[in-house]
Amino acid sequence: GQNIDQPTEMTATEGAIVQINCTYQTSGFNGLFWYQQHAGEAPTFLSYNVLDGLEEKGRFSSFLSRSKGYSYLLLKELQMKDSASYLCAVSRDSNYQLIWGAGTKLIIKP
Amino acid sequence: EAQVTQNPRYLITVTGKKLTVTCSQNMNHEYMSWYRQDPGLGLRQIYYSMNVEVTDKGDVPEGYKVSRKEKRNFPLILESPSPNQTSLYFCASSPDRSYGYTFGSGTRLTVV
Repeated sequence: GQNIDQPTEMTATEGAIVQINCTYQTSGFNGLFWYQQHAGEAPTFLSYNVLDGLEEKGRFSSFLSRSKGYSYLLLKELQMKDSASYLCAVSRDSNYQLIWGAGTKLIIKP
Repeated sequence: EAQVTQNPRYLITVTGKKLTVTCSQNMNHEYMSWYRQDPGLGLRQIYYSMNVEVTDKGDVPEGYKVSRKEKRNFPLILESPSPNQTSLYFCASSPDRSYGYTFGSGTRLTVV
């Protein structure tokens, strides 16, 4: 079947680094997305990985290993505004359909 | 400003009363989609559209209808809403898979 797993909740300290993991099992693979969603708001696009390796974008980086069905989102120099849910989504094929994980709620403490 | 606009933001309705949630995008995106989001379940796709007059079912289409008569608009229709359709709904659009989606602000629907 199709499955995406993420931790339900994580806690980190302001200024620190946190890694949010995502593992997936899908019938096809055509890229992995990370989105940020603040409570009560719409998801916003963070990153897209289709090849193995690390993509860096400011304080946020995303890593993909297709052979392991694994990705992580790395957030550095955490700020209070980073408190949000982080959603992992996989594109199974060449169309635009995505399978979504349930999201990881990240709590930042001072 | 490039955006996806959904209306209404909040809606409380009664079982069986037909309703439409509107979605409009001003970015000339070909692809549009409707999702519902429920606690612990993540986003689930209801319907999507690859272009004008081209629509297809997502993972949870039962009880919903859509239409795509113009490129910018993609309304979601609930012909006979039921309480299990109480949820947070998002419309999204995209020009290309690798760019990700732009989401509307969401519609919180309660069916009593």
